[in-house]
Amino acid sequence: GENVEQHPSTLSVQEGDSAVIKCTYSDSASNYFPWYKQELGKRPQLIIDIRSNVGEKKDQRIAVTLNKTAKHFSLHITETQPEDSAVYFCAGGGNEKLTFGTGTRLTIIP
Amino acid sequence: DSGVTQTPKHLITATGQRVTLRCSPRSGDLSVYWYQQSLDQGLQFLIQYYNGEERAKGNILERFSAQQFPDLHSELNLSSLELGDSALYFCASSVFAGKYNEQFFGPGTRLTVL
Repeated sequence: GENVEQHPSTLSVQEGDSAVIKCTYSDSASNYFPWYKQELGKRPQLIIDIRSNVGEKKDQRIAVTLNKTAKHFSLHITETQPEDSAVYFCAGGGNEKLTFGTGTRLTIIP
Repeated sequence: DSGVTQTPKHLITATGQRVTLRCSPRSGDLSVYWYQQSLDQGLQFLIQYYNGEERAKGNILERFSAQQFPDLHSELNLSSLELGDSALYFCASSVFAGKYNEQFFGPGTRLTVL
């Protein structure tokens, strides 16, 4: 089955700087990669996703890149703000179900 | 508020007991997913139902079972509970079954096994 690895497990970034979270996947058949954000004590919410027919997708301050050859994808957050502090999960899916990474706890330092 | 509801919010029980967690999907959503989130762990996919039928299975223990009823609500049954079953259990729903459909998560049920 699919195996998704996520790094780093924790990340501290100065407010205004950029943050990058990386994930690798094992199943070459995976073609859908969403990112979920989970604020403290709250439910995970989808923030951006990418399909394997594109290499990059942007939505305001967040972007996701995908390298199918290397089987890795990354989340980029620019101009970080305090409200970006949360746990971020990547996921990969090649069939019906998604396999989630173990999460990255992002802390924005004011 | 995602529109997905889960009850109860908290559950404290003893080892060896059995509990039932309930999930009501968003109106119109046919697919329900169950996830387990242990402390500092990711989201472990347990099982998915679509329109009443099991659609996909993940790392679900034999002691655990689930079902989706005709009104589309779902229940996750956990039996012979062990300390290691203590976790946050999320239910999510989506319109259809395919992975491209955004999953909307409920608030979770925090299970504590003493």
